[in-house]
This record gives sequence, structure tokens and C-alpha cells, in this order.
Amino acid sequence: SQQGEEDPQALSIQEGENATMNCSYKTSINNLQWYRQNSGRGLVHLILIRSNEREKHSGRLRVTLDTSKKSSSLLITASRAADTASYFCATVSETSGSRLTFGEGTQLTVNP
Amino acid sequence: DAGVIQSPRHEVTEMGQEVTLRCKPISGHNSLFWYRQTMMRGLELLIYFNNNVPIDDSGMPEDRFSAKMPNASFSTLKIQPSEPRDSAVYFCASSLGRRVTEAFFGQGTRLTVV
Repeated sequence: SQQGEEDPQALSIQEGENATMNCSYKTSINNLQWYRQNSGRGLVHLILIRSNEREKHSGRLRVTLDTSKKSSSLLITASRAADTASYFCATVSETSGSRLTFGEGTQLTVNP
Repeated sequence: DAGVIQSPRHEVTEMGQEVTLRCKPISGHNSLFWYRQTMMRGLELLIYFNNNVPIDDSGMPEDRFSAKMPNASFSTLKIQPSEPRDSAVYFCASSLGRRVTEAFFGQGTRLTVV
């Protein structure tokens, strides 16, 4: 079974609005990563947050991590139609540094 | 670097036939992953290698699946015999370092077993 669960499964917003996606996981982690997948393409790494970090920013992306709740959120500000894609969280466990386990993904649609 | 290269991009085969998927990781990367993606099951980790050695193959669905990494620049995923339920997109990814901080994915192989 997958380590992470994304919420919501699908999100539809208007251009310019913010999009928030959530991810929950089950085991202790070393780091959590977010990836993006355009239809029919491979996944692309967006941002990484380590277990001792609580928030990280990269451009229009903001990631938070709450290890006590075993959850993370990805915020995309001022969304654009080009942000339309599926977004996945992935975890690297504390004990298995090479195992990268993905959640179910959130399908984001940004309407122009 | 051209990134992770997978071949073929598309494969259509008949049930019972052997299928071999190929992957060339990014030069210098020491971890390689094989994933399978379907609508029903999402993105499943099948197996991963570290320094060409299989570390965890617990995700390999059954004995019909096998994976090899004979050297640092090449890996194969073989399905023999193939079944319709194996139809999926298979991704290969590679990363650098002892802990995975960023995985680079290939474009995937879309497998259809009829």
C-alpha cells in the first residue's frame, strides 16, 4: 500500500486563486518531497522538506510539515493554467534512506 | 545529460508473451527505482537498486516479474508471461546519494497486454 494519502483527490480552481493540497503519511520520515506530473509524462521534483523543518518556500510554492500529525501541505499561490497537473507527495523513511514511496496524488485543474 | 531514458515508450503485446522494459539512469546516480502506475493502484514501487544491488523487491507483484541491473548504466524489468492486468505505465527513476533527496524520472513505458 502507498505511504501517503493526498487530499483532496481532485481540485478545480480559477486562475489567480491559491491551491492547497494535503498529504498524510504513516511512518517516521527523513524527508518528504512533492512532485508534479503532467498528463502522459514522468514525475518532476518540486521541493523537499526535511523532518526537522516546518516550512519551506520555492517561488510560488510553500510546503509545510507537521511531524506530530504526520502531515504536509503544498500551497501554490497565484495559480496559472499551466499549473494544471497531478501533484504527489513522496516520503523517505527514517530507516530506509533509499526507499521513495508515493501517495495517491491530487489532480489540480486551473481554469483560465 | 539527457536524463533518464526508457525504452520502448509504448509496447503492445499479446497475453503470454515476454516483455522487457529498459532503463538508462542518469550517469553517476547510484539508486534506481522501478514504479508501476495505474488508475486503480496509483504509483507503486516495484523494486529499487542501490549501487546495482537490489535492495527491496517486496513490491514486485509475483514471480512473473524480474528486474536486473548488470551495470551502473542499464537496468531491465522483465515480465514473463505477461497478462492483461499488467497493463500500466512503468516508470524508471534514478537518484544520487545515500538518501533520496530528488528522484529523476524517465518518460515511462506504456504497456498494453491484450
